[in-house]
Amino acid sequence: DAGITQSPRHKVTETGTPVTLRCHQTENHRYMYWYRQDPGHGLRLIHYSYGVKDTDKGEVSDGYSVSRSKTEDFLLTLESATSSQTSVYFCAISERGRGDGYTFGSGTRLTVV
Amino acid sequence: DQQVKQNSPSLSVQEGRISILNCDYTNSMFDYFLWYKKYPAEGPTFLISISSIKDKNEDGRFTVFLNKSAKHLSLHIVPSQPGDSAVYFCAASGYGSGNTGKLIFGQGTTLQVKP
Repeated sequence: DAGITQSPRHKVTETGTPVTLRCHQTENHRYMYWYRQDPGHGLRLIHYSYGVKDTDKGEVSDGYSVSRSKTEDFLLTLESATSSQTSVYFCAISERGRGDGYTFGSGTRLTVV
Repeated sequence: DQQVKQNSPSLSVQEGRISILNCDYTNSMFDYFLWYKKYPAEGPTFLISISSIKDKNEDGRFTVFLNKSAKHLSLHIVPSQPGDSAVYFCAASGYGSGNTGKLIFGQGTTLQVKP
């Protein structure tokens, strides 16, 4: 049992369309994070959540929004997809936040054409 | 500005030898450091961590060393095995992130262990 799942695993979308990626956890962890992985940049934080309806921006948040209406779900929306948002997106969860490690999902590979 | 840097994109070592992966950071507020391992098409998995009150932490074949004065940490894998071939990310968090546990990651180092 994975504990954290991301959907979809792969998606191809057109420039200018909205896209929503879903992260679902069964661990009841308070903290959830969205990262993107790009060559030469490692993992960069997009947005994070520290509780239901409590979210904040990370270092690369432009063009992205998030929502967390339930503990178990954290949604990432690309409001109007651009080719620069082609990336692999990872969701992560953490029980205690500070001083804790993350558990990552398997990732979503998004291609914007 | 890259606060966590892994300056070696790749490393190749022979099976049974030591692998040393390096990581530098610039933010003196960082006080907790972690290493993650990532295989292709999978999410990163937690490997080992170290708090700034320590200078060494061991877990089996993996040891992390922290040199606070140099703002440098390293991961030693002894002995290296072919199954260790993966991308390794170092990460850091600190007081500036409050209690949210935000991690700042380096660019990653691809380790290849040759049989």
